[in-house]
Amino acid sequence: GAVVSQHPSRVICKSGTSVKIECRSLDFQATTMFWYRQFPKQSLMLMATSNEGSKATYEQGVEKDKFLINHASLTLSTLTVTSAHPEDSSFYICSARRGSDTQYFGPGTRLTVL
Amino acid sequence: GENVEQHPSTLSVQEGDSAVIKCTYSDSASNYFPWYKQELGKGPQLIIDIRSNVGEKKDQRIAVTLNKTAKHFSLHITETQPEDSAVYFCAASLSGGTSYGKLTFGQGTILTVHP
Repeated sequence: GAVVSQHPSRVICKSGTSVKIECRSLDFQATTMFWYRQFPKQSLMLMATSNEGSKATYEQGVEKDKFLINHASLTLSTLTVTSAHPEDSSFYICSARRGSDTQYFGPGTRLTVL
Repeated sequence: GENVEQHPSTLSVQEGDSAVIKCTYSDSASNYFPWYKQELGKGPQLIIDIRSNVGEKKDQRIAVTLNKTAKHFSLHITETQPEDSAVYFCAASLSGGTSYGKLTFGQGTILTVHP
């Protein structure tokens, strides 16, 4: 149990376009999902907390208008990178919280902006 | 806010040896401490976790110990195997409340197990 999927696993896009990443909890309902960003050889950096039916909470320094998060159901959260630029290239990982604290992570999405 | 320090940054062991990774945290209110294993190009996988009401937890070759007074916790892997090679992350959080269980991660430890 506790499987989280992400789609797509890899995406390459041109500068200025928008990219949507989906995060799904497959076998449990998740009131709360989290979005992280990870640069090579670095730790995970929390970008935002996504709560079903309400607005996401963004960490300091993360632009909410650039990284749009929607948590429309208890099993799906989406992250849209708007007007992507090369500096947005990174590994984006979501997690879904089960219970009061345990987080299960998705396999990640590698975004490359040309 | 919470700060988690993890050591060592790299660890190299021979197959069959034990490996120990240590983390310290700053917020005494933190009460949940998971460990994740991340293989190259993949998402982190939860391998074991411990809550502040216990001092030790074991699952086959993996164990975690927690010292609340000293605010540190450790991951112990016995009888290491080459497939244990990966990056290991510790984390700390406060369950529930307005923080929604946000995790603060350590910097990671690259574990290499040589056959």
